[in-house]
Amino acid sequence: DAKTTQPPSMDCAEGRAANLPCNHSTISGNEYVYWYRQIHSQGPQYIIHGLKNNETNEMASLIITEDRKSSTLILPHATLRDTAVYYCIVSPPQGGSEKLVFGKGMKLTVNP
Amino acid sequence: KAGVTQTPRYLIKTRGQQVTLSCSPISGHRSVSWYQQTPGQGLQFLFEYFSETQRNKGNFPGRFSGRQFSNSRSEMNVSTLELGDSALYLCASSSGTARDTQYFGPGTRLTVL
Repeated sequence: DAKTTQPPSMDCAEGRAANLPCNHSTISGNEYVYWYRQIHSQGPQYIIHGLKNNETNEMASLIITEDRKSSTLILPHATLRDTAVYYCIVSPPQGGSEKLVFGKGMKLTVNP
Repeated sequence: KAGVTQTPRYLIKTRGQQVTLSCSPISGHRSVSWYQQTPGQGLQFLFEYFSETQRNKGNFPGRFSGRQFSNSRSEMNVSTLELGDSALYLCASSSGTARDTQYFGPGTRLTVL
């Protein structure tokens, strides 16, 4: 079973920051938080991952709370193309046994 | 660098038939994982191959099998197809080394009639 909880859906206005929450209260010490997104019927797209420090790349920022029980994915300037299902996944560092356990994810709709 | 490719992209089969799907990983990647996505069950892990060996397996019946070749390309086979096997089948590749991420292909849409 997935170890994360996300709201089922969220709306965001185009051009505004989208803050996508995720709860993972049972996360273990060696588990990373991964974010993927899936645009309708395409393969999931990797966004970002982190262990305990905040991370930023060209797509998004990941803020992980100090107790690591929750995190927030931030899309700084949402566009219509960011409309997708976003998956927050908790997993041991990939490279030992490649298995991602996906939950239901959260549908983000970016509105004009 | 080319991404993960899957063939065919769409497939229609009838109940009782078998099907083989193919996945070519990103160049240099040695791990290939397979997932099934259905509206009811979501994305579920099928199995993972690394250096031609199955390293991890999900909870699917034995009708679902796979293999990996020396060039890291992988195939997935489903025998005795059932209506419930209709799904989007996704493969993902990674280097298989610590802290690498998985990169997904576009998927194969299988419809069983």
